[in-house]
Amino acid sequence: QVQLVQSGAEVKKPGSSVKVSCKASGGDFNTFTISWVRQAPGQGLEWMGQIIPVFRSTKYAQRFQGRVTFTADESTTTAYMEVSSLRSDDTAIYYCARKIDHWNRSDPWGQGTLVTVST
Amino acid sequence: DIQMTQSPSSLSASVGDRVTVTCRASGNIDNYLNWYQQTPGKAPNLLIYAASNLQTGVPSRFSGSASGTDFSLTISGVQPEDFATYYCQQSFVMPYTFGQGTKLEI
Repeated sequence: QVQLVQSGAEVKKPGSSVKVSCKASGGDFNTFTISWVRQAPGQGLEWMGQIIPVFRSTKYAQRFQGRVTFTADESTTTAYMEVSSLRSDDTAIYYCARKIDHWNRSDPWGQGTLVTVST
Repeated sequence: DIQMTQSPSSLSASVGDRVTVTCRASGNIDNYLNWYQQTPGKAPNLLIYAASNLQTGVPSRFSGSASGTDFSLTISGVQPEDFATYYCQQSFVMPYTFGQGTKLEI
């Protein structure tokens, strides 16, 4: 079955950038849509956007537009999310998930990557 | 953006109870409504999609229903492993917004 494995935790300084990876296995990456969701400490889930790797097509939630970039490498079946100009309120767990069928349900999810932004 | 209003924010229950969580959409979402369960330190897990369809492998004590823009998740006979936080999400129009979550506690 499809599995998504994310890169490890990161500690970053304010103003820097972070790039999180999400490696897919067990399915045809060329048919995937990968969504990204974040969760601030003790808070709820926030949809950030998605990428369709085969088309290089991206959609971003408005609040992340311009500061977040989704990319993908089909040769390694890996999706990436980069956040630039990091602020303390970007401290969160970032999840990738596969979006499936026309109901746009997300399954499975990666295990999450904690990004801590701190001086 | 479609706003998802979930209630209650927390819920106390005992093993064996029947509990219901509700979610209201601020506009039409045509039953594009998913429910996820999240246990502490873990990623969310899909329970129900299209308002009432059980994801493969999810126990049948979980069920979902819809009435217009109102949606509900019911657990019939809560088990110890069900104490978690539950989120609704509309997947009709981007951004695919989530409800605020409902924490089910013992």
